[in-house]
Amino acid sequence: AQSVAQPEDQVNVAEGNPLTVKCTYSVSGNPYLFWYVQYPNRGLQFLLKYITGDNLVKGSYGFEAEFNKSQTSFHLKKPSALVSDSALYFCAVSPLRTGGGNKLTFGTGTQLKVEL
Amino acid sequence: SQTIHQWPATLVQPVGSPLSLECTVEGTSNPNLYWYRQAAGRGLQLLFYSVGIGQISSEVPQNLSASRPQDRQFILSSKKLLLSDSGFYLCAWSDRFYGYTFGSGTRLTVV
Repeated sequence: AQSVAQPEDQVNVAEGNPLTVKCTYSVSGNPYLFWYVQYPNRGLQFLLKYITGDNLVKGSYGFEAEFNKSQTSFHLKKPSALVSDSALYFCAVSPLRTGGGNKLTFGTGTQLKVEL
Repeated sequence: SQTIHQWPATLVQPVGSPLSLECTVEGTSNPNLYWYRQAAGRGLQLLFYSVGIGQISSEVPQNLSASRPQDRQFILSSKKLLLSDSGFYLCAWSDRFYGYTFGSGTRLTVV
């Protein structure tokens, strides 16, 4: 069975500083990895995904994530945080397969708070 | 382009009343469809998913049911709501390549 761990319930960072939101995963075979962001009372919005290729994936709003196969991690990063980045972030994983039925498993979410 | 519509945005229902939440997808065919519930603003609980018309898989036995009467329509229902059914309900669709796209959610409060 696949699983995702987001070890931090909340991450606090000052505006302008770099941020990292951690994610580790467990899946059979090669992973299909995602980050989503959720603002209050809204649906989840796609940020970025990793399928194959370059381990550093760039996504929306200046976010990027680094895939590390040996550490089974997919940490979300941004070089300079903005107050508007404050939101709930979800990591998700699915086994990479071509037959469809790609049911994602989500982490429990990490609340990011960026302060002035 | 593909879009997903979910309604209503908010709903307040008395205990024991029925429920029907609807989700429709445009711009794609034969999508996988999902219903999630999010309690206390955090974790996502997969309730139902569907890979085709009339094909429903239930992840958690409970007071809810789902139906897919048309290819791009997914309905979440209950005959009698419980207080514990309160939460934020999210519909999503996916194909094999692009991950999930979520609807804007329905805030259900059972009183």
